[in-house]
Amino acid sequence: NAGVMQNPRHLVRRRGQEARLRCSPMKGHSHVYWYRQLPEEGLKFMVYLQKENIIDESGMPKERFSAEFPKEGPSILRIQQVVRGDSAAYFCASSIGPGTLGLPDTQYFGPGTRLTVL
Amino acid sequence: DQQVKQNSPSLSVQEGRISILNCDYTNSMFDYFLWYKKYPAEGPTFLISISSIKDKNEDGRFTVFLNKSAKHLSLHIVPSQPGDSAVYFCAASASNGGSNYKLTFGKGTLLTVNP
Repeated sequence: NAGVMQNPRHLVRRRGQEARLRCSPMKGHSHVYWYRQLPEEGLKFMVYLQKENIIDESGMPKERFSAEFPKEGPSILRIQQVVRGDSAAYFCASSIGPGTLGLPDTQYFGPGTRLTVL
Repeated sequence: DQQVKQNSPSLSVQEGRISILNCDYTNSMFDYFLWYKKYPAEGPTFLISISSIKDKNEDGRFTVFLNKSAKHLSLHIVPSQPGDSAVYFCAASASNGGSNYKLTFGKGTLLTVNP
């Protein structure tokens, strides 16, 4: 049973280019979350998606960042016109559901994509 | 504004002894707490959790204690093993507003267990 898959594992971009990060959730999971970890920081929530729907993007920068989770295929986090401050590790997590009775379902994390902006 | 704080960046213990990792939080709306373990070049792995209706949860060598009045939780690992060496993240969520999926993480504590 494969876990959460992310690719690429490492991505190098020059300032102004676009970065596309992909995430395939665990089998049977239809809920995807993206987190960002800046150097020396904890993981910070960015966005929560279900198939074809963005449920909560409150943690995502208003400009240049977008996310999708199409009916078929992986979830994509897209960063346009990258800047040096976007350099970070981006983690995707998935769960069976959002949770029940006030308790969140366990989120299983992928290995992350380390983005370096030159 | 750091709502979940892990004030010890690192901790070193001897194999077989107890490891105690601490976590403090400031948001009184948090009612569910988790510990994740992370090895280099891997994603965080869920370890153990506790709901605010409890003050202790145990799973094998791992026990989490919650002190709501102090807004403090701790993870005890006993006995510690070299394979436990990793970064441990404390995380919290709040069920009000229907956003309990949104985890807030601390910065992590690097645990080193020496043989």
